[in-house]
Formats: sequence, C-alpha cells, structure tokens
Amino acid sequence: GQQVMQIPQYQHVQEGEDFTTYCNSSTTLSNIQWYKQRPGGHPVFLIQLVKSGEVKKQKRLTFQFGEAKKNSSLHITATQTTDVGTYFCATGNQFYFGTGTSLTVIP
Amino acid sequence: DAGVTQSPTHLIKTRGQHVTLRCSPISGHKSVSWYQQVLGQGPQFIFQYYEKEERGRGNFPDRFSARQFPNYSSELNVNALLLGDSALYLCASSPPGGLGSPLHFGNGTRLTVT
Repeated sequence: GQQVMQIPQYQHVQEGEDFTTYCNSSTTLSNIQWYKQRPGGHPVFLIQLVKSGEVKKQKRLTFQFGEAKKNSSLHITATQTTDVGTYFCATGNQFYFGTGTSLTVIP
Repeated sequence: DAGVTQSPTHLIKTRGQHVTLRCSPISGHKSVSWYQQVLGQGPQFIFQYYEKEERGRGNFPDRFSARQFPNYSSELNVNALLLGDSALYLCASSPPGGLGSPLHFGNGTRLTVT
C-alpha cells in the first residue's frame, strides 16, 4: 500500500515564526489530505490536493502538492499558539496517514 | 447537526477479554472507517464500510472485526485482547463523493488493556 513519511517529527517554534512540515512518498500519490489534531482531540480535516503542482491557501496556511505528486508540504506563516497540534498528511481513499509533525508554539 | 459519536469514551479491559466499540456517523454519511491510534503515531487504518459492505481492510489480525448496520452505524469488535491493543480507536464517517471525501472523526474510544 501507499506509504507516506513526514518530517520533522517534532518542531518547536517561537510565536510569530514560520513552520513547515513535509510529506514524502516513493510512489505517485492520487491525492493528499491534511488533518490537524489538537492535543487530546481528534483529527480535523483541513484540505485536499489532487492536481500536480497544486497550491491552496487558508489564511496563514499554504498547502502544496509536488509536480511529481510524490510530496506535499504545509506551511504556516507567523505561527500562533492556536496552531499547536499534530499535523498529519493522508493519502489514498483515506487509508494511509503519515507519521505526523507535532508543533509546539512558544509564546 | 450532531457529529460522529462514539461510545464508550473510555474502557478498561483485561488481556484475553473482548470488546465492542460503537460509532454513529453524521446523518447522510454512508461510509464509516475505523482507525487505531497509538500515542505519538498517526491513525492506522483498520476497516472501511460502505452501505454495509466491507470496502477495505488494513493490516490487522483476524481478532479485529467490524460490521455496519442498516442505519449506517457501526461496531468494531476485538477478541482476545492483548496489551498492544491499548490505543485510541477512532471512527470516521465521510459523505458520498468517492476518492477524497473528507473524513469526519469522532472523539474516539480510549481502550486500555491491562
């Protein structure tokens, strides 16, 4: 099955700094979805990317799908304490989740 | 509108016992998926059901089984519990739409096996 790896596993940033997490696969992906899980909570859907080179923005969040559809990234500009949580990529028919990147924002 | 509801929220079982977890999807959602999430890891796919039929199965032993009822609610059963089955079990429903329909997760059932 499809496997996706995420880096980094953990990231600590000062509030106001930028943050980026990467999702990588050795195979071509049909789609990428991104989810956010707050501490003690459940994953919440953020966005889906399906086209090669696609870029989507949600306020301070920018999502990108690689040209070869083998990688994706999530970039947060000027992090806030509300951004704290673990960010997961997922692919396929929602079957395969990445390992996640845990974001800590230091006020 | 009510979200995905799961019961119970917490459960403590002893090795060798069996457990049944329940899930009610969002109204109108016909697909239900089950995931196991161990602390510090991403959700691992267990099963997906659509219109009462199994549409996918992850790499879990036969001790794990599930079913979906006519009202689209679902049960996950785990037999002969092992310590390693301790995890957060998440249920997710998704609307019709094929590939890429977003998953709507419930709050999960925290299972502890002692």
